[in-house]
Amino acid sequence: KNEVEQSPQNLTAQEGEFITINCSYSVGISALHWLQQHPGGGIVSLFMLSSGKKKHGRLIATINIQEKHSSLHITASHPRDSAVYICAVYNTDKLIFGTGTRLQVFP
Amino acid sequence: ETGVTQTPRHLVMGMTNKKSLKCEQHLGHNAMYWYKQSAKKPLELMFVYNFKEQTENNSVPSRFSPECPNSSHLFLHLHTLQPEDSALYLCASSRAAGVGTGGSQYFGPGTRLLVL
Repeated sequence: KNEVEQSPQNLTAQEGEFITINCSYSVGISALHWLQQHPGGGIVSLFMLSSGKKKHGRLIATINIQEKHSSLHITASHPRDSAVYICAVYNTDKLIFGTGTRLQVFP
Repeated sequence: ETGVTQTPRHLVMGMTNKKSLKCEQHLGHNAMYWYKQSAKKPLELMFVYNFKEQTENNSVPSRFSPECPNSSHLFLHLHTLQPEDSALYLCASSRAAGVGTGGSQYFGPGTRLLVL
């Protein structure tokens, strides 16, 4: 069992839908990272957070340290949001990655 | 564009070849990382360099040999690889190693490697 679990593994949505991707972890962490990986491989950092909530455009990330859980929300989803979303946690200065959630948004 | 570049983007090599992957960061960072991403598996940390010194070798086979001549450049030298080494190899950088001092990691686009 991975120390960082994401759900769902695959997600399809219609343009405009509200998307939620979940991340649960079983280790102590100092921060959590949400990453976006587009086809072709490049990874972009979306958020790094250690408490509460962060918002950037249509993206919102929340974390509940007590419950060891984080969510990434996408409002008004768009086909260009199609990517793999990866949750990673900092544990003793190492990043531990989830396997990712593949999102496809159709027009 | 994240400020981290990798070359080549794609590489096909035979098991007896020797090749090198290159990573360059233009962010003024002091820590650089090599990751391996295989299909359906989480990213695996391979090596960490902090201020040009290797601080992490995550039990990587010796057929992978990293080199960090300065804080802006990182190489991964490959020799006598196996087909199971085929994967996406990602480079990343941060201000320094460790989240307490390092902040976010910035990733390059990766090199997709196929070993025949």
